[in-house]
Amino acid sequence: QQQVKQSPQSLIVQKGGISIINCAYENTAFDYFPWYQQFPGKGPALLIAIRPDVSEKKEGRFTISFNKSAKQFSLHIMDSQPGDSATYFCAASKGGYQKVTFGTGTKLQVIP
Amino acid sequence: DAGVTQSPTHLIKTRGQQVTLRCSPKSGHDTVSWYQQALGQGPQFIFQYYEEEERQRGNFPDRFSGHQFPNYSSELNVNALLLGDSALHLCASSLYGPQDEQYFGPGTRLTVT
Repeated sequence: QQQVKQSPQSLIVQKGGISIINCAYENTAFDYFPWYQQFPGKGPALLIAIRPDVSEKKEGRFTISFNKSAKQFSLHIMDSQPGDSATYFCAASKGGYQKVTFGTGTKLQVIP
Repeated sequence: DAGVTQSPTHLIKTRGQQVTLRCSPKSGHDTVSWYQQALGQGPQFIFQYYEEEERQRGNFPDRFSGHQFPNYSSELNVNALLLGDSALHLCASSLYGPQDEQYFGPGTRLTVT
């Protein structure tokens, strides 16, 4: 059972544009929603995370929007740069148990 | 300060064989989790170790087993290898308890032929 659905599978954005990746979850017990960035040959690295008590969190060019009633959350990358080209995973976990459920990933390519 | 380290980087095994992968957690961390990432997919949780005991387990068969040592390092063992076990195997470390953030290692690429 896939508990976190992610779209799109791939995304091409021009430099300076906005990249948007969407996720939906099923388990209402989830209370921690991180986004990971993964470069080829590397492990996932935590990018930004949100808890359901806030609707938005911004860190630099990265923003998470969270809609608890719809059980959806999204990542916005403003002013996208070629160095942002990577695979992005949304994820969810509950109660600090650190058993993270990942989405299927979005391969982002930022072209000059 | 070294992050999470894993060995070996790559490994090629034959169906039916057994394999052991190793992980050293980030300094100060006492909990190790293992994930399997098939090509083009997101990582899937295998299990988590704390105080040398398995604390949580995902939907993986008993062929997957682990161990944690007193220095918090960990091993992932896979018996009776199948072609479907070919994947990137990731180790993540953290502090036990109500902590959410995990740090991932670079992974071990296992190929089963």
